[in-house]
Amino acid sequence: GIQVEQSPPDLILQEGANSTLRCNFSDSVNNLQWFHQNPWGQLINLFYIPSGTKQNGRLSATTVATERYSLLYISSSQTTDSGVYFCAVGGGLRSGGYQKVTFGTGTKLQVLP
Amino acid sequence: EAGVTQFPSHSVIEKGQTVTLRCDPISGHDNLYWYRRVMGKEIKFLLHFVKESKQDESGMPNNRFLAERTGGTYSTLKVQPAELEDSGVYFCASSHYYPEAFFGQGTRLTVV
Repeated sequence: GIQVEQSPPDLILQEGANSTLRCNFSDSVNNLQWFHQNPWGQLINLFYIPSGTKQNGRLSATTVATERYSLLYISSSQTTDSGVYFCAVGGGLRSGGYQKVTFGTGTKLQVLP
Repeated sequence: EAGVTQFPSHSVIEKGQTVTLRCDPISGHDNLYWYRRVMGKEIKFLLHFVKESKQDESGMPNNRFLAERTGGTYSTLKVQPAELEDSGVYFCASSHYYPEAFFGQGTRLTVV
């Protein structure tokens, strides 16, 4: 199956700082999503971005599908950004046509006031 | 359009008891998936329904877990009997033709 690696695994920021999270994947995909799991465990959908660039407020994401990676940018971080960020990919050539997604290892972000 | 809805949002049960989680997918979505994140580890795939049929249940951990999808609509995931290591967050997702999967906000299960 598809391998998904995220870096860094842990990140501590001071409020107001910017950060870049990376997601590498091992196969061609037609689905890539970024999620934020907040401290209460809820999974919040951030972006559906199999290719290209999208922005939503202080967050933006870029996927370079041909090079099999995606980046999530967080600008002017806030304490409410704390939690775990996951990328998830799906639809690779060997996936059997299923649309199930495979999650990455996650980046745990802590934003300090 | 309503999103994927999961019930309950949080459940606390004793070891050995039974718990049933429910997922209501987005109307018209044939694909329904269950995932879980236990003990702060990765989010793992459990199973995939296409309408009422189990397409892939390779991620189900053992026979204490039973998933059903009545009439191709909502789905339930029953854990019987629950063990301590089952504690975690259980997510449901649905999708239609497009690759994007829409996730519910999860059910936090605590087994004490």
